[in-house]
Formats: sequence, C-alpha cells, structure tokens
Amino acid sequence: AQKVTQAQTEISVVEKEDVTLDCVYETRDTTYYLFWYKQPPSGELVFLIRRNSFDEQNEISGRYSWNFQKSTSSFNFTITASQVVDSAVYFCALSEDPNSGGGADGLTFGKGTHLIIQP
Amino acid sequence: DAGVIQSPRHEVTEMGQEVTLRCKPISGHDYLFWYRQTMMRGLELLIYFNNNVPIDDSGMPEDRFSAKMPNASFSTLKIQPSEPRDSAVYFCASSLVSTATLTYEQYFGPGTRLTVT
Repeated sequence: AQKVTQAQTEISVVEKEDVTLDCVYETRDTTYYLFWYKQPPSGELVFLIRRNSFDEQNEISGRYSWNFQKSTSSFNFTITASQVVDSAVYFCALSEDPNSGGGADGLTFGKGTHLIIQP
Repeated sequence: DAGVIQSPRHEVTEMGQEVTLRCKPISGHDYLFWYRQTMMRGLELLIYFNNNVPIDDSGMPEDRFSAKMPNASFSTLKIQPSEPRDSAVYFCASSLVSTATLTYEQYFGPGTRLTVT
C-alpha cells in the first residue's frame, strides 16, 4: 500500500522568508512518481512538479526547489523569498510508475500543508 | 490548449435527488480519473478509466455512485440518490502516459462543489 505523510498541517511565515514543506512517502514499488500540487483559495489543483524515482537530481524553478532523497523516502519542497501569492494548500502525491507494466493508477495524496504567507 | 473542463462548477441539491457531474478531459489524454475532496478524508480516488474503459472503481463509496465514459472526450459521475454526506468537491483529472518519453502527468479540472441539503 502507498502512503504519503505531510506532517506539517499549517505553516505561517512572514513574506520574504524561506519555507520548506516536508513530504515523506511509503511504497513497495521499485519505480514510482512523486508530485507536488498547489491549491490556492480559489480551489483548483495546480500541477507544480513531477519526479520519477530513478531521477534523484534536485530541481529548481525560479523561487521553487525540490529535494528528492530516496534514502529517506522524502520529497521536500522549498520556497525561497516567499510571497503572499504563495499562500495556498500544498499537496504531495505518489503514483506507481505507469511505464513499469501495470499502466497508470491514481495518485495517493498527503493531507496537505496549509501555507500562510503574512505581509 | 483547453485544460480539463468540468461542469457544473457548483451544484446544490436536496437529499434524494440525482446528481450528474460532467468532465471533458484534455484532448489526446488516455486516462481519466475522478477524485473527491472532503475535509475529513482529503483527496481520494474514486474511479479511473483507460481508453474509455473503467479500470478500478474500488474507491467508489457505494452503489449510489456510478461513472461512465462513453467516448474519449466525455465522462460523467452520477450519484443517485444523493445524501448530505456526499457533499464535497469532485475533481476530474486526465493523463497521458508516454512510454517513449517516460512522461506521466495528471492535470486536474477546476472541480465541482456539490452541496446536498
């Protein structure tokens, strides 16, 4: 069974601070995909990143960066110089690798971290 | 390109009524997923289709829930009869799995907020 744990229910920081959102996962699959989604107050789910388990390179996209560590089963998300517009609920999700022979399946989501950026 | 389209965006209905939620996936995507989001249970998968065929409906909560995908560009999720505990946001998502490029992404629609009174 797959499981995603986002232990931080809510984080509040002042604008321009750096903030890291933690994500720990459990899976028996040897290959898998990890995702991060943003859910702003308007309610839609915005895709941020997808990472395959055999690619452990960290990724940076503007103020966003992701640290994937297979040894600790973690896929943490850092926002540098946070802005008020970053306020949202952030979800980490896990899926088996659809190219491993079984096809795609649904995502297993964590409970989400509510990030509040105060001006 | 248009993303995943869902309708209606909001639905308010009385207990016992039939509710039909609609989804148009991204053109060319071969997977379609239905999720439900509640405060208590978070985001949970209900059912998904591959090339219009239902693959796994183990997440469908009860027989009151049914889903169809008559063609590659349309899916429905029906609740009959509806109950107050069905109140939630229902998301549709679509994916394209490419073995050539080893890509896999799921894009979500804006969701339908269902309130059953």
